[in-house]
Amino acid sequence: DTEVTQTPKHLVMGMTNKKSLKCEQHMGHRAMYWYKQKAKKPPELMFVYSYEKLSINESVPSRFSPECPNSSLLNLHLHALQPEDSALYLCASSQLTLQETQYFGPGTRLLVL
Amino acid sequence: AQSVTQPDIHITVSEGASLELRCNYSYGATPYLFWYVQSPGQGLQLLLKYFSGDTLVQGIKGFEAEFKRSQSSFNLRKPSVHWSDAAEYFCAVGGSSNTGKLIFGQGTTLQVKP
Repeated sequence: DTEVTQTPKHLVMGMTNKKSLKCEQHMGHRAMYWYKQKAKKPPELMFVYSYEKLSINESVPSRFSPECPNSSLLNLHLHALQPEDSALYLCASSQLTLQETQYFGPGTRLLVL
Repeated sequence: AQSVTQPDIHITVSEGASLELRCNYSYGATPYLFWYVQSPGQGLQLLLKYFSGDTLVQGIKGFEAEFKRSQSSFNLRKPSVHWSDAAEYFCAVGGSSNTGKLIFGQGTTLQVKP
């Protein structure tokens, strides 16, 4: 089973709202990733967690706050977003970070009004 | 710095025709190479990967890719395209450091004519 699940599928929020995206995998993977993808563009890496510790933050604005409560779960907390943050947010996981295959979830389509 | 180039932004083929999507990479060592496919509004699905060994790699859905070190290429092929293959295709290379960072190409949009 190579499934990564993400909830919700769609999210509409105002610029003053606080919301969270959730990602879950049960493959025993120890690395998890958040990507942002704009239309007709490749995914852009935001964060990498390795063994539940944040290992990479690609200079993401603080209005995005990741959290890894355990090895199966990854959250992305959103606060005071801007309309330009509207995008598809993808979660991925891999067994380890070293050159391993990343398996992607279906994404959350976010619209910021 | 590592980079991936997909020269074709958009390709149209007739159903049943053969397909080749090009991917060129720049990398200092033996690369870890991937092809992913993305249907509209969906996540990325792994088609195939190359880590080492046989340079002709078989993937899902009838796709294959050939790693050519001398040409720094990892082109994706399919002998007979189906209408359901219409999607966005991304080539990616694993980064050199132990970070898990993937370098993606800009993608190729495949349109299939009936």
